[in-house]
Amino acid sequence: GAVVSQHPSRVICKSGTSVKIECRSLDFQATTMFWYRQFPKKSLMLMATSNEGSKATYEQGVEKDKFLINHASLTLSTLTVTSAHPEDSSFYICSARRTGSPPTEAFFGQGTRLTVV
Amino acid sequence: AQRVTQPEKLLSVFKGAPVELKCNYSYSGSPELFWYVQYSRQRLQLLLRHISRESIKGFTADLNKGETSFHLKKPFAQEEDSAMYYCAPLMYNNNDMRFGAGTRLTVKP
Repeated sequence: GAVVSQHPSRVICKSGTSVKIECRSLDFQATTMFWYRQFPKKSLMLMATSNEGSKATYEQGVEKDKFLINHASLTLSTLTVTSAHPEDSSFYICSARRTGSPPTEAFFGQGTRLTVV
Repeated sequence: AQRVTQPEKLLSVFKGAPVELKCNYSYSGSPELFWYVQYSRQRLQLLLRHISRESIKGFTADLNKGETSFHLKKPFAQEEDSAMYYCAPLMYNNNDMRFGAGTRLTVKP
């Protein structure tokens, strides 16, 4: 099956600093990648949808300037949490879908646990 | 607004009992429906999608367009089925994939 890798799997950062999370599709090209946030014992909340070569589409209530998404290639999308604060601590998950028709299901990364201290 | 509802947060059954995890959706258009599963300490993975009409690990799901439901069923639950289950409609035309709140299934011995 298709593999999606996230890096890092865990990160601790100081309040006020920025953190970059990478999402890579290892064996397929991904036109679309999704970024989710998961709170403890809660469902996945879609933050944004990123399409290769264009600006990400953010969900209502998600700050674009706080959560910067870049999808510069068909195998890599990055999420940068800028000026992180303790309330940004969470589990961030990416998923990717193959390019082509018909569109396929999404494959998920293992997630990144962000802790802001 | 696009909405997907999984009414049960927690579901507990005994091994060998039938299980049904409910999913209702409210979408303008015809989404494709998926069920994803997350076992303890593992990433989300696809369980099944309605378009393939297959049975995975004994689970099936029937799309009922009239009731806009896509309930997941298994006639005889096993302990290894204990996991979080998410229903997810996907709209291809706007590339939108959201998840229901999830149902935590616990299968007791």
